Amino acid sequence: ILNVEQSPQSLHVQEGDSTNFTCSFPSSNFYALHWYRWETAKSPEALFVMTLNGDEKKKGRISATLNTKEGYSYLYIKGSQPEDSATYLCAFLGSARQLTFGSGTQLTVLP
Amino acid sequence: DVKVTQSSRYLVKRTGEKVFLECVQDMDHENMFWYRQDPGLGLRLIYFSYDVKMKEKGDIPEGYSVSREKKERFSLILESASTNQTSMYLCASRGGQGTDTQYFGPGTRLTVL
Repeated sequence: ILNVEQSPQSLHVQEGDSTNFTCSFPSSNFYALHWYRWETAKSPEALFVMTLNGDEKKKGRISATLNTKEGYSYLYIKGSQPEDSATYLCAFLGSARQLTFGSGTQLTVLP
Repeated sequence: DVKVTQSSRYLVKRTGEKVFLECVQDMDHENMFWYRQDPGLGLRLIYFSYDVKMKEKGDIPEGYSVSREKKERFSLILESASTNQTSMYLCASRGGQGTDTQYFGPGTRLTVL
């Protein structure tokens, strides 16, 4: 079973703070790295699918970077808002062609 | 608007009962998945299907079976529910490429007493 780790496990920030968290994954047999946001009582929603080393993706105040050689991805949120409160999941797509998920980072943005 | 629906949001069953969890997608996706999510653990893949009547075991298939008779519907079956199957169950679907986005249903929180 592949090892996909996310840190920190949980995070509390004040509204307006910027924050980031990490996803580490195997650096071999890499096909893609997915990021999802999962709000309470809703379905997980895709944020990014990243495939190339050095990729940077942005969606509003959220951005992500990818380093496939060392096996990590960072997710950044600029100027956090209470509506950003959610669990952020990363998932590694390797040669088995099935996603292996990390355990998530639970973000709480305090007003 | 893409949609994956699951038959129940909350379900309470007794030990030994046969349980059916239904999932329907309206995107004509080839691939469908069943995951369970437990505190402190990531989404763990139970079973997946890449075509009608085809199924593959995921990481934790023990105690589960699946059925895919039609492209849009993927069912998860607990033949004899046990308390350690109390969990959140999520269905997802995806198009043909592994790099495509997966779309998730809202989840079914199953409690086995």
